[in-house]
Formats: sequence, structure tokens, C-alpha cells
Amino acid sequence: QQPVQSPQAVILREGEDAVINCSSSKALYSVHWYRQKHGEAPVFLMILLKGGEQKGHDKISASFNEKKQQSSLYLTASQLSYSGTYFCGTDYSSASKIIFGSGTRLSIRP
Amino acid sequence: DSGVTQTPKHLITATGQRVTLRCSPRSGDLSVYWYQQSLDQGLQFLIQYYNGEERAKGNILERFSAQQFPDLHSELNLSSLELGDSALYFCASSTGLQNTDTQYFGPGTRLTVL
Repeated sequence: QQPVQSPQAVILREGEDAVINCSSSKALYSVHWYRQKHGEAPVFLMILLKGGEQKGHDKISASFNEKKQQSSLYLTASQLSYSGTYFCGTDYSSASKIIFGSGTRLSIRP
Repeated sequence: DSGVTQTPKHLITATGQRVTLRCSPRSGDLSVYWYQQSLDQGLQFLIQYYNGEERAKGNILERFSAQQFPDLHSELNLSSLELGDSALYFCASSTGLQNTDTQYFGPGTRLTVL
């Protein structure tokens, strides 16, 4: 089952914050976040394991709500370099394959 | 640079033809994954190999096949090509079998079927 990402697209001004959500209809084992710039390969951001943990990476952080079967990616004080499409990938056990959502396109304007 | 290499970068071919895409994983990585990304679409998982053996299959068509060689490079073979096969094909590698292992993506091969 493909996870559902929301919003599908968001436009921000530089310095604004954004939240991207990734929801699953099944209990999650882990959630993976990637960013892909146009015409480039996806680049790994972070992995979260079940347990409701939160991780941070510079001004990008993410949480994992096991009860809600949802992960959220937080981008704080967005920079132009944050532009791109953000994908979440979910899996349901350590052995199952990762299924990616359809992506959230983030555009940052000066 | 992720350390994963893919060749060729671009490939233009005609319907009905067969092509082979090549991927070299990062040094030390045993798992190789293949993904298809159509225009403005997400990543569709095709197949995973680990140390030469097929480990997981996704939405891979019967016209497509893959293998991983003893030196751990992998090839994705696409045959009887159709217009709808035009897409970016990414290869990714990781150290092991666990989904918690980070996948490092190669630059991709852009396939255009005319």
C-alpha cells in the first residue's frame, strides 16, 4: 500500500516553515525521507524507526507517530536549497520492500 | 556523488527493441535496487538483489529482467520496449538487507522509447 503524502505541492517564501506529512493505512516499521531535485537522483535525508522518535538534521527534522501511522517532515526557516520533491518511503517489517509515496513538490521563492 | 554509477546516462531507442542498463554499487554494498520513475511520478520499486541473489520483487513487468553478477554490479534488461517504458531508471545500493540501511541512489539512466 502506497503511503499518502500531503500536501502534493507547497510554495513558500525563503525563511518560512513547512510540514510534509506521510500517512499509511498499515502499521509502519520505518519511514524513510528523501529529497529529489529536478533531473537528479533522490538524496537520503533520514530514517525513522517505530517508537515515535524524532530526528533532526540541520533545520530539517521529522517525527514518527506510531499510533497515527504517520510521519511528518519539518522544514524550518526554509532556504532556496530546500526546493525539490520530497518523498517518503514506508515499510511494514524489516524484510518488506520500501514503498514510496508520490511526493510533495516544495518550491522556495526569494 | 553517492558512489553509485549508472551507464548509460541517456538512451534513445525504438519500440520493440531491447536495452541493458548497468549499475555499479558503492564499494562494499551488497544490495542493489532498481526503480522506475516516470515523468512527474514517484519511485516505483522494481527489484532488489543481494549478493547475487534476487531478494524482493516489486512491480516489474515480465518483459524486464535483472541480475547481479559476482563482482556485484547489476544489469536491468528491458525488452520489447513500449512507449510507456520511457522513464528514468534509478539504481540504488545499500550495505545489507535491512530496510534501515540507507539506500544511495545513482544518477539514473533516462530511457526514451520512440
